[in-house]
Amino acid sequence: KAGVTQTPRYLIKTRGQQVTLSCSPISGHRSVSWYQQTPGQGLQFLFEYFSETQRNKGNFPGRFSGRQFSNSRSEMNVSTLELGDSALYLCASSLRLGPSQEAFFGQGTRLTVV
Amino acid sequence: AQKVTQAQTEISVVEKEDVTLDCVYETRDTTYYLFWYKQPPSGELVFLIRRNSFDEQNEISGRYSWNFQKSTSSFNFTITASQVVDSAVYFCALRSGGTSYGKLTFGQGTILTVHP
Repeated sequence: KAGVTQTPRYLIKTRGQQVTLSCSPISGHRSVSWYQQTPGQGLQFLFEYFSETQRNKGNFPGRFSGRQFSNSRSEMNVSTLELGDSALYLCASSLRLGPSQEAFFGQGTRLTVV
Repeated sequence: AQKVTQAQTEISVVEKEDVTLDCVYETRDTTYYLFWYKQPPSGELVFLIRRNSFDEQNEISGRYSWNFQKSTSSFNFTITASQVVDSAVYFCALRSGGTSYGKLTFGQGTILTVHP
């Protein structure tokens, strides 16, 4: 069974640009969450999607957005990139919604903003 | 607000030593779930264990064991006879219902280095 797949693995972007990251969950999983990992702030929750609807959102500015498609694949977009957006972005999938669900993570997309 | 604290930023041990990683959590919810994840250099978070707030039984899985104590809000993780392959960053995380339904709240992580 394939795990969570995130593409691309590495990205270098310039300040002011926008970027789209992709996440394919484990087959059959319908919930997808996104996290940002930085050395200073650690792992922080961005948002969670289930059945193409955003169910929960973390404390990030509106430049961070996401969506989920009917096949459960998800994308997140960051517009007007800032240097501080440089981070490892991790996607996690779960079978269903709910606090008891195990979250399985991908290898992440490492974004560098220059 | 929920919070997870891993007081040990870095731990260094020699192979075959036992090591315990501490985790203390805060939540107002009565139903919650605690998790441990391992992050090797490749980056992905590998799920290790889930424990719900109503189950205080300790758990052992091979060289890994977990001690959940609700009275002290702690969920500590012990690796017995550590090996070099155990070197990684370990995260404790909390998830509950309410407004933070799907959100995992992570501790800052503990970097474990096991020397041969």
